[in-house]
Amino acid sequence: QKEVEQNSGPLSVPEGAIASLNCTYSDRGSQSFFWYRQYSGKSPELIMSIYSNGDKEDGRFTAQLNKASQYVSLLIRDSQPSDSATYLCAVNIGTGGFKTIFGAGTRLFVKA
Amino acid sequence: GAVVSQHPSWVICKSGTSVKIECRSLDFQATTMFWYRQFPKQSLMLMATSNEGSKATYEQGVEKDKFLINHASLTLSTLTVTSAHPEDSSFYICSARRQTHQETQYFGPGTRLLVL
Repeated sequence: QKEVEQNSGPLSVPEGAIASLNCTYSDRGSQSFFWYRQYSGKSPELIMSIYSNGDKEDGRFTAQLNKASQYVSLLIRDSQPSDSATYLCAVNIGTGGFKTIFGAGTRLFVKA
Repeated sequence: GAVVSQHPSWVICKSGTSVKIECRSLDFQATTMFWYRQFPKQSLMLMATSNEGSKATYEQGVEKDKFLINHASLTLSTLTVTSAHPEDSSFYICSARRQTHQETQYFGPGTRLLVL
C-alpha cells in the first residue's frame, strides 16, 4: 500500500461546479496534511494546510480531514478553467512529522 | 511570505559535465531544505534532505556521490549533479522549511536540466 494515495484522474468538471479531490494515507500518527497545486512545467504551490479533524475553508477551497478514516479531501467551489492543474496531497509522517510524502497527484480539468 | 528561489531555471549541458543548482530561502531561515526530482507526468520523488551544517540524508536509491548536496547556511543549499548523463535530465525542485512553523514546505520554482 502506498503511503499517500490519490486517484490520478483526470477529473473533469464544468466551469462553476464543485471539484472534489480525495486522498488517503497510511500512517495513523500523521498530524499535518497539505494540498499543493502544480501547473504543468511549474513547481508545486501550497493551497491549504490542515491539522485538525473537520473542515477548513479558505476562499473557494475547503480542506476536510478525517483522521479516523485516514482521509483528506479538497473541495473547490465555483471551479474555474484556471483551476485546471494537478493537485498533490502531502502528509507529514515519521517521528516529529519530519518527512513529507506526496501522493501521485490528481489531474483536474475544468471545462469552460 | 515564504519565498524560495532556484538558480538556474534552465540548464543544458553535455554528458559528463557537472551542474550546480542553488536553492535559496529569500525571506526566512531554513534549517532544512529538500531536493526533489520529477520526471514528466510523474510525481515528486524526494532525493535527499539537507540540514544546515550537517551531511544530507539521501533516500534509498539516490547516489550520494553523484548528487552532492551542501547546505552551508540557513538560506542556501546546493545540489551538484556530477558527471551528468542523459538519464539525469529531469525537473529538479527544492523546498525549504522555516525554523518556526516547520510543518510546511515552500517550493522553489524548479530547475529543468537537459543533458545531451
